Amino acid sequence: DVKVTQSSRYLVKRTGEKVFLECVQDMDHENMFWYRQDPGLGLRLIYFSYDVKMKEKGDIPEGYSVSREKKERFSLILESASTNQTSMYLCASSILSNTRYQETQYFGPGTRLLVL
Amino acid sequence: DQQVKQNSPSLSVQEGRISILNCDYTNSMFDYFLWYKKYPAEGPTFLISISSIKDKNEDGRFTVFLNKSAKHLSLHIVPSQPGDSAVYFCAASIYNFNKFYFGSGTKLNVKP
Repeated sequence: DVKVTQSSRYLVKRTGEKVFLECVQDMDHENMFWYRQDPGLGLRLIYFSYDVKMKEKGDIPEGYSVSREKKERFSLILESASTNQTSMYLCASSILSNTRYQETQYFGPGTRLLVL
Repeated sequence: DQQVKQNSPSLSVQEGRISILNCDYTNSMFDYFLWYKKYPAEGPTFLISISSIKDKNEDGRFTVFLNKSAKHLSLHIVPSQPGDSAVYFCAASIYNFNKFYFGSGTKLNVKP
């Protein structure tokens, strides 16, 4: 059974703080992803990584950075939190596909971040 | 601009009846489509998928239909059960691109 865990379920931070969201997966997946979920907008991809120390920008990378020092761990960093970054943050992982189709992504439970 | 759209934010269905959730997309390069189900306070979980070479895929009570010419897919749940009450996201991907594009979700409520 794939397990993706996120370090916190709820976080409250102040504007300007540096925020770290941690994600760990236990299935040796190559790919890891960070999304944010907002009402009416669905899941939007912030960053993804297909290997250790590799990262690619998603659709909304501004204001975020990521770190992947180990295969099982993918961190999302809000350099200077702002109120418009209040959202639900979801981490996901998948194996690297050897077919033409993307492999299913497995999601963590999410971190609900409130920036005051 | 969202490339995958779910125009119905919510749907209410009686237990035992059919639930039909719809999804439209704009990018003709999408060739793989998925549905995810999300309960409150949990992450989305994979439900069913379909590749662009097919027009239908069935798994138990869940069937996904793909109409490529209309750029439309739908998820049918028959019969609907109260445990199916959740938010359903459709997602699409392009061959060799390492990401999915998600719709905004439809909240399904199955009434006992």
